[in-house]
Amino acid sequence: DADVTQTPRNRITKTGKRIMLECSQTKGHDRMYWYRQDPGLGLRLIYYSFDVKDINKGEISDGYSVSRQAQAKFSLSLESAIPNQTALYFCATAKFTDTQYFGPGTRLTVL
Amino acid sequence: EDQVTQSPEALRLQEGESSSLNCSYTVSGLRGLFWYRQDPGKGPEFLFTLYSAGEEKEKERLKATLTKKESFLHITAPKPEDSATYLCAVFTQGGSEKLVFGKGTKLTVNP
Repeated sequence: DADVTQTPRNRITKTGKRIMLECSQTKGHDRMYWYRQDPGLGLRLIYYSFDVKDINKGEISDGYSVSRQAQAKFSLSLESAIPNQTALYFCATAKFTDTQYFGPGTRLTVL
Repeated sequence: EDQVTQSPEALRLQEGESSSLNCSYTVSGLRGLFWYRQDPGKGPEFLFTLYSAGEEKEKERLKATLTKKESFLHITAPKPEDSATYLCAVFTQGGSEKLVFGKGTKLTVNP
C-alpha cells in the first residue's frame, strides 16, 4: 500500500462549488504539506502543518483552507472553486526538516 | 528572494548518451538540496538529498553533486526508462520552512 494517498485522483467541478481534497499518510510523519503544480510554474506551496494544532499559510493560500483532522490526515478545501484553480494538487509529508514524500496527486478541473 | 533555476528546460538524448542536468540556486542559507523524478501525471519521487558542498550521491545511472552555487545530476548511459522530468528543490534557512522548487528539466531518452 502507498505511504501517502490522495482522494479523489481526478475531479471535475463547476465554478462556485465547494470541494475538498483529502490526504492520508501511514509514514508516521508530523509534517504535512499541500502544493499545486501548473505547467510552466512548477510546484508552489499552499499550506503546511507541523502538527494537528499548527497550520501555516504558504505562498499561494488565498482561496484555499485546510484542516488537520489527525496526525495522518490533512484536507484541502476550495470554498468556492474558480477556473484558475484548475491544476494538479499534491500532498507531501516529512519528518522534521527532512525529505518530503509526495502523494500521487489529484487532477482538479474547474469549469 | 530565494530562487532555483534548472537548465536546460528540455533535453533529448540517445540511449547510452551520457549528460548532465544543472540546478543553480540563490538562497539565504542552504539547509538541503533535493532531487526528484516526476513521471507525467504522477507525484514527484525522491531521488537524493545533498547537504554540503562537495557531497555526492549515486543511484544506479544517476549521480548528484553539489557546489556552493549549483548542483548537477549526471546521467550515465541513460535508458528510455530514465525519461521523466527531474526536479530540483532547496530547503532554506531564512523565512518560512518551505521547499523552493525549480521548474524542472524534461528528459527524453530515445532508444
